[in-house]
Amino acid sequence: QQQVKQSPQSLIVQKGGIPIINCAYENTAFDYFPWYQQFPGKGPALLIAIRPDVSEKKEGRFTISFNKSAKQFSLHIMDSQPGDSATYFCAKGADTYSGAGSYQLTFGKGTKLSVIP
Amino acid sequence: DAGVTQSPTHLIKTRGQQVTLRCSPKSGHDTVSWYQQALGQGPQFIFQYYEEEERQRGNFPDRFSGHQFPNYSSELNVNALLLGDSALYLCASSYDREWYGYTFGSGTRLTVV
Repeated sequence: QQQVKQSPQSLIVQKGGIPIINCAYENTAFDYFPWYQQFPGKGPALLIAIRPDVSEKKEGRFTISFNKSAKQFSLHIMDSQPGDSATYFCAKGADTYSGAGSYQLTFGKGTKLSVIP
Repeated sequence: DAGVTQSPTHLIKTRGQQVTLRCSPKSGHDTVSWYQQALGQGPQFIFQYYEEEERQRGNFPDRFSGHQFPNYSSELNVNALLLGDSALYLCASSYDREWYGYTFGSGTRLTVV
């Protein structure tokens, strides 16, 4: 069963727009929330990640917002470009250094983003 | 600096056959994880190998098995292939439990006919 619910399934925006992708999780025993970007024929590549003690993190044009009480986090892409067209996955992972013992990443189903020139 | 290398890139097998996929981790990484990505879905964790042993396993049947060699490279074996095993198989490497270094390969596209 899916432990990370991602929406929307697909998204089309004009160049310069700000696509927003949302994820919700159920189990709170996770301490690492990454976003991955995947181009056709390639494996996922880490885009940006956040830990739950931080409410927002920015890296270039990409921003993660995290709401621990609502168990939700989202990805915003500022000034989107056609080159950002890809599939984006949110995921969650355990804080393995705490000894929680879970070494897997659990992924959402992905959002296919298309940025129109 | 080579990233994660997987071979072959594409493979077609017949239902009931066995297949072996290979992965060479990124330089400096000692942990290998395998994921299955069905079309239009997110990757699903199969298992992880560390110090040549399976450290954790996802919800996959025993038909899926693996191995890690002393040089940290890894193999994924799938026996008695089913049509539903058709997917992109991704290998990810990392240095033990460091999430930020978790790096995926480009995958092996397996088609079962």
